[in-house]
Amino acid sequence: DTTVKQNPRYKLARVGKPVNLICSQTMNHDTMYWYQKKPNQAPKLLLFYYDKILNREADTFEKFQSSRPNNSFCSLYIGSAGLEYSAMYLCASSRDQGEVFFGKGTRLTVV
Amino acid sequence: AQKVTQTQTSISVMEKTTVTMDCVYETQDSSYFLFWYKQTASGEIVFLIRQDSYKKENATVGHYSLNFQKPKSSIGLIITATQIEDSAVYFCAMREATGGYKVVFGSGTRLLVSP
Repeated sequence: DTTVKQNPRYKLARVGKPVNLICSQTMNHDTMYWYQKKPNQAPKLLLFYYDKILNREADTFEKFQSSRPNNSFCSLYIGSAGLEYSAMYLCASSRDQGEVFFGKGTRLTVV
Repeated sequence: AQKVTQTQTSISVMEKTTVTMDCVYETQDSSYFLFWYKQTASGEIVFLIRQDSYKKENATVGHYSLNFQKPKSSIGLIITATQIEDSAVYFCAMREATGGYKVVFGSGTRLLVSP
């Protein structure tokens, strides 16, 4: 099973409110990623966990938080959503130097 | 820093023909991994094929194959006998081998296959 599961599939949030997105995988992958995807743009890497070590991209460092309580689960947290956060959020995972497997995404709309 | 560039924003072809999508990359690493993904109409991103930089032979999976030109830092995706359902956005991606958990994507090429 190469499934990465994301919940919820759709999320509506108010400006200034927090958002928490959930991801899980049962492939025992050591690395889990969060990407932001907007129309006609490349998936943008926000952060990733290698095992228990969190790596955040410099330009999104203060905007997104994450936790990985165990190997299977990873969350993405936005403390105060802005309109610019409206996008598809893709969770992905991989093992060693292997290819990345994506979940179906959570479409976040901030109003 | 690693970088992936896809200059073709969209391509239109007739069904059953062959199409090539271009991708160039930048890296300081001597060892790296290259991937192609397909984004379906539903938005799902699906892995298609990979090329490891140390392998000279071009990868092939089904009707997907790669044209790996290492001196040109180029990894083209070739789709033979295209089908209507190949219509999608195709992304090229790269991972460096050292410190290599970060995967960077190009901006994508939209392929439209017409009957």
